[in-house]
Amino acid sequence: ETGVTQSPTHLIKTRGQQVTLRCSSQSGHNTVSWYQQALGQGPQFIFQYYREEENGRGNFPPRFSGLQFPNYSSELNVNALELDDSALYLCASSPGTPRTRHSDTQYFGPGTRLTVL
Amino acid sequence: AQKVTQAQTEISVVEKEDVTLDCVYETRDTTYYLFWYKQPPSGELVFLIRRNSFDEQNEISGRYSWNFQKSTSSFNFTITASQVVDSAVYFCALNGYRGDGLTFGKGTHLIIQP
Repeated sequence: ETGVTQSPTHLIKTRGQQVTLRCSSQSGHNTVSWYQQALGQGPQFIFQYYREEENGRGNFPPRFSGLQFPNYSSELNVNALELDDSALYLCASSPGTPRTRHSDTQYFGPGTRLTVL
Repeated sequence: AQKVTQAQTEISVVEKEDVTLDCVYETRDTTYYLFWYKQPPSGELVFLIRRNSFDEQNEISGRYSWNFQKSTSSFNFTITASQVVDSAVYFCALNGYRGDGLTFGKGTHLIIQP
């Protein structure tokens, strides 16, 4: 069974640029969630996708957007990068439906470390 | 609003000592789930345990044990006979009934010295 994978591992961008991060969910999982983890902090929920539709969103501005594809893989896009966007971006996948999303265990990938200069 | 507090920023113990990591949570939901994750230096969050709000039975798994007390809104985690490989940042997290993503605490950095 393949776990959650993310690419790239590391990324360096400059302020104002756009970035796309990618995630492949664990086999059998149809829900993907994205989190931002600043240095020394706990992860913060960005949004969640279930069967290609956004299924919940945290307190992040619209320049954070996402997609989920028919094979349940997902992308996180961030426009107009700011210095404060520098963080570890974690993707998590989980099985189940919107009715069970509060109880499902989320399994995390290794993350993408984004540095904005 | 939901909140998870891990008051211990860093704990350092000598190998083989027992150590307890504290977690206190706030939620208005009557149905919710609590989780513990471990984050080694590699960065990947590793799932350890899930507990629902209706199950206050404490659990032991090898050297790990968890103490869930709804009356004090606490979900503490104990490692018995700690080992150097237990060194990591440990996060407590909460998912409420609406399932609007996990709410994490700030984490406790556990250092096990040989």
